[in-house]
Amino acid sequence: GAVVSQHPSWVICKSGTSVKIECRSLDFQATTMFWYRQFPKQSLMLMATSNEGSKATYEQGVEKDKFLINHASLTLSTLTVTSAHPEDSSFYICSVPDRPYNEQFFGPGTRLTVL
Amino acid sequence: KQEVTQIPAALSVPEGENLVLNCSFTDSAIYNLQWFRQDPGKGLTSLLLIQSSQREQTSGRLNASLDKSSGRSTLYIAASQPGDSATYLCAVPLDTGRRALTFGSGTRLQVQP
Repeated sequence: GAVVSQHPSWVICKSGTSVKIECRSLDFQATTMFWYRQFPKQSLMLMATSNEGSKATYEQGVEKDKFLINHASLTLSTLTVTSAHPEDSSFYICSVPDRPYNEQFFGPGTRLTVL
Repeated sequence: KQEVTQIPAALSVPEGENLVLNCSFTDSAIYNLQWFRQDPGKGLTSLLLIQSSQREQTSGRLNASLDKSSGRSTLYIAASQPGDSATYLCAVPLDTGRRALTFGSGTRLQVQP
């Protein structure tokens, strides 16, 4: 299956700053990647679908101007949390759907803490 | 809207026991179902993928079954080991025609040595 990496694995930032998280598909060209968010003791919730060469599609309630997604190549999608606030502190994790059966492979996640 | 429920929420068993984790989903029009394992603070590891045309999949000591018509799946773990301790998540496609997943809240498993 697809091998997915994320960078950084954890980040601590001050309120009001922006943070960029990278998701890389190491061995598979991914036209689509997914970004999920997981709050403590909760399950994963889909934030947005990252589409190579076009705009991302966001789930209801996710602010597209706050969570900027760029899918510039078939192996890299980035999520930028702009003007981060403490309530944005969460575990952000990306996935790559493999073909032909749409088996999903996840990155190791990024723990964001906003002070 | 697809909803996924997992029972039990937590389970503690002695080493060596066989156990069953349950997953149910509200919309039976799924094309696959996937079971994952998540260790604390880590990402998800794919355990098994069952296509809608299949009734079960096996990998080592794990066996997953799927009953689409009743909206249920089970994950059977044979001869449990302390290393199996983790949270197990069940996921199905969010909507018909979409590839993104929606997840159950998971079963937190603790296997006592």
